[in-house]
Amino acid sequence: DADVTQTPRNRITKTGKRIMLECSQTKGHDRMYWYRQDPGLGLRLIYYSFDVKDINKGEISDGYSVSRQAQAKFSLSLESAIPNQTALYFCASSVWGPYNEQFFGPGTRLTVL
Amino acid sequence: KQEVTQIPAALSVPEGENLVLNCSFTDSAIYNLQWFRQDPGKGLTSLLLIQSSQREQTSGRLNASLDKSSGRSTLYIAASQPGDSATYLCAVKLNAGGTSYGKLTFGQGTILTVHP
Repeated sequence: DADVTQTPRNRITKTGKRIMLECSQTKGHDRMYWYRQDPGLGLRLIYYSFDVKDINKGEISDGYSVSRQAQAKFSLSLESAIPNQTALYFCASSVWGPYNEQFFGPGTRLTVL
Repeated sequence: KQEVTQIPAALSVPEGENLVLNCSFTDSAIYNLQWFRQDPGKGLTSLLLIQSSQREQTSGRLNASLDKSSGRSTLYIAASQPGDSATYLCAVKLNAGGTSYGKLTFGQGTILTVHP
């Protein structure tokens, strides 16, 4: 079984709808992250969480919110989806410390019509 | 602001060729640099992680080097195979004054095609 899982893997929705993307990890990591990937722009950090009570904005957090329900679960919400949020979304996790390696989930492809 | 650039954007080579992918970054105060592989429709697989104190890391046919002072890293792939076809991403973690929240800054990637 994969260590970092994401659901759904693909989602098509309409403008204005609320969407939630879910992420779970079985690695026992305390840190979790949400990134989005757009063609030609690489991956950009949306939100990150050091533990259940510590959530921080990344470089492109506008239009998104997150919830850390447990150490193993980190959800990303789009309160009112818009077409330019169409992208590939990745969740990642890591242990504490600056030298840690990040492990990524398989991604969720989101299309907003 | 840390910026990461990967050259070339795309590369097509015949099977068996040795090749080099390049990654450059603007801020040399990094904790580490990570090379990833991304297959179409799939997530990122970590290939190699080089700490700032290291010069290179090797895994099988892959060798990654790091020259922190010049802001460069290379990923060397020996005896390339069609199965190596994928997008290769490098990412650096900035040393933010003794603490780190684990933020990676990614390059745009190099799309590699190895044809038989």
